[in-house]
Amino acid sequence: GAGVSQSPSNKVTEKGKDVELRCDPISGHTALYWYRQSLGQGLEFLIYFQGNSAPDKSGLPSDRFSAERTGGSVSTLTIQRTQQEDSAVYLCASTPGEAAYEQYFGPGTRLTVT
Amino acid sequence: AQRVTQPEKLLSVFKGAPVELKCNYSYSGSPELFWYVQYSRQRLQLLLRHISRESIKGFTADLNKGETSFHLKKPFAQEEDSAMYYCALEEGGSEKLVFGKGTKLTVNP
Repeated sequence: GAGVSQSPSNKVTEKGKDVELRCDPISGHTALYWYRQSLGQGLEFLIYFQGNSAPDKSGLPSDRFSAERTGGSVSTLTIQRTQQEDSAVYLCASTPGEAAYEQYFGPGTRLTVT
Repeated sequence: AQRVTQPEKLLSVFKGAPVELKCNYSYSGSPELFWYVQYSRQRLQLLLRHISRESIKGFTADLNKGETSFHLKKPFAQEEDSAMYYCALEEGGSEKLVFGKGTKLTVNP
């Protein structure tokens, strides 16, 4: 079956512009996670959703970052006024239940801020 | 404070040699620990979890609560083991994983 998909696969944007990254989880998966993967920093947790609500937003690095999930399915991560340090691969993962380890990862969106 | 530490960013071994990727954690409760792997141009995926005590692709990992470690080992490395490896901790009831910074393993022919 279809796995987690993310779009776009690559995004190049100018400093100061806003970007939206999309994640389509596996159908029926209730939990959805966003991570940032960068050289030297590994995998940083950003936010997770259980259904449409976000019990834990502790990983969002600043108020320029926000995320939403609608219909218990698609999620969008928005970065406003992008900075060069936002350049990274943004990964999305979903799980079928409450076991956090059962995460199925998407291919990621590579964001480059010039 | 870093809760999952992988001290080696890079690790290089020759094919057939033993390999150990180190992971130390900081957590006062009963942790659940995992290893994830990302092969070149592939998605991050679960390799193994400590609770299952199984061997996957020849890799094993033992949880040592006294040393707060969960090192990943394989007695004879293969070239196809070359990948990025992440150790992860699930804190009880948190419903999220805390990842280490990863170790890039290169197995040379």
